[in-house]
Parts: sequence; C-alpha cells; structure tokens
Amino acid sequence: AQSVTQPDIHITVSEGASLELRCNYSYGATPYLFWYVQSPGQGLQLLLKYFSGDTLVQGIKGFEAEFKRSQSSFNLRKPSVHWSDAAEYFCAVVGTSGTYKYIFGTGTRLKVLA
Amino acid sequence: DGGITQSPKYLFRKEGQNVTLSCEQNLNHDAMYWYRQDPGQGLRLIYYSQIVNDFQKGDIAEGYSVSREKKESFPLTVTSAQKNPTAFYLCASSTTGGGTGELFFGEGSRLTVL
Repeated sequence: AQSVTQPDIHITVSEGASLELRCNYSYGATPYLFWYVQSPGQGLQLLLKYFSGDTLVQGIKGFEAEFKRSQSSFNLRKPSVHWSDAAEYFCAVVGTSGTYKYIFGTGTRLKVLA
Repeated sequence: DGGITQSPKYLFRKEGQNVTLSCEQNLNHDAMYWYRQDPGQGLRLIYYSQIVNDFQKGDIAEGYSVSREKKESFPLTVTSAQKNPTAFYLCASSTTGGGTGELFFGEGSRLTVL
C-alpha cells in the first residue's frame, strides 16, 4: 500500500541547533515529493519539492531535503533552527502519472527552546 | 495577490444541521481539493475536482457533498449524515489534476459541532 511515514510525532530542539525531520515513503515508483509547514490554525505552506534531478533540494526559510532512492527517504534538514520555525511539518508524495492522490504523513510537531 | 480564500474561519453547528464551507481561488487552477485534518491523522482527502462540473470522491466522502459550477469555486457541504464533523477543513488547488505540481492551501475552516 502507498504510504508516507513520519516516525517522529514531536521533536524539540534548542534555537541555533541543527534539525533533521525524517520521512519515509512506500510507493510503486519514485513519486514526486514535498515538504509542507503548518503554523497553528493555518493552512499548509510549501517548503520544497523534488521532481527529478539533483537529489539535494533547497527550499524556503533555509530548509533543504535530500532524496535517497535506496532508502525511500526524503528527510528535511536545517543547519540552525530559529524560534519561528516552531510549527508542524508534513511530508507528502504524489504519483508522477497524473493521479490526484497526494498522500500525506501524519506530521511532526517541532518545538524550539529559546 | 493570488491565493485561496476559505470562509468562514470558524463555524459552530448544532447536530442535525447542514453547513457549507466556502472555497474560492484566483490562481486559475483546474484542480481543487477538500481535506479534513484531525490531530495525529495528517490530511485525509474528502473530494477533489479536476475540472468544472466534475468531481470525484476521496477517501472519506461519506456525509459530505460538493459542487464545481465555476472554475474558481468549490464549496463543501457537511451534512447531518457526517457522524463526527468536528474538524479542521482545508481547501487546496493545483495547476492540473495532480502529479505535476504542488498543492496550494487556504487558511482552513474550523467546524465545531455543539
């Protein structure tokens, strides 16, 4: 079955520390991959996406993600976290054949300590 | 500015009442989606529409209805048949029916059944 797994429900880091949020997917072929961020009571904003090409993708707000085909992973990283990064982060995938079915992970809630 | 507008942001409903959530986009996107978000469950697809006058059921369509009479509008009705309607509802759009672009989200509507 197609699925996206975000194994960490909550993560707490200190401001200025590095961050890595994990995302693993199960899909018949390599899908398109996305990371979204959601502040409380708000909609989702796209951080970055991977369609093809360079497996290290740069996004907004200093985030990057690396696609590893062999591990079916698309982990999100940031070298130095800011207090404003506290939010919930969602990994998502969609097939490349024109399907409507975007599959979302259950999210990782990030807390940043001052 | 282009975007997706959802209204109302907060809505209270008595049991047995139907309510309609509005979603309007000025991005000229063909595809529109409705998702339901519950804590710890990620986003679940209710309905989607790839083109005007056409829409398809998602994973949790029971108790919901939609219409797509105009390209820019995709209202969702939560009917009295929906057993547990209290949730956060997100509307989204994309350039095509899926697989070739990211989703753009509205700010969401929070429905509470009293």
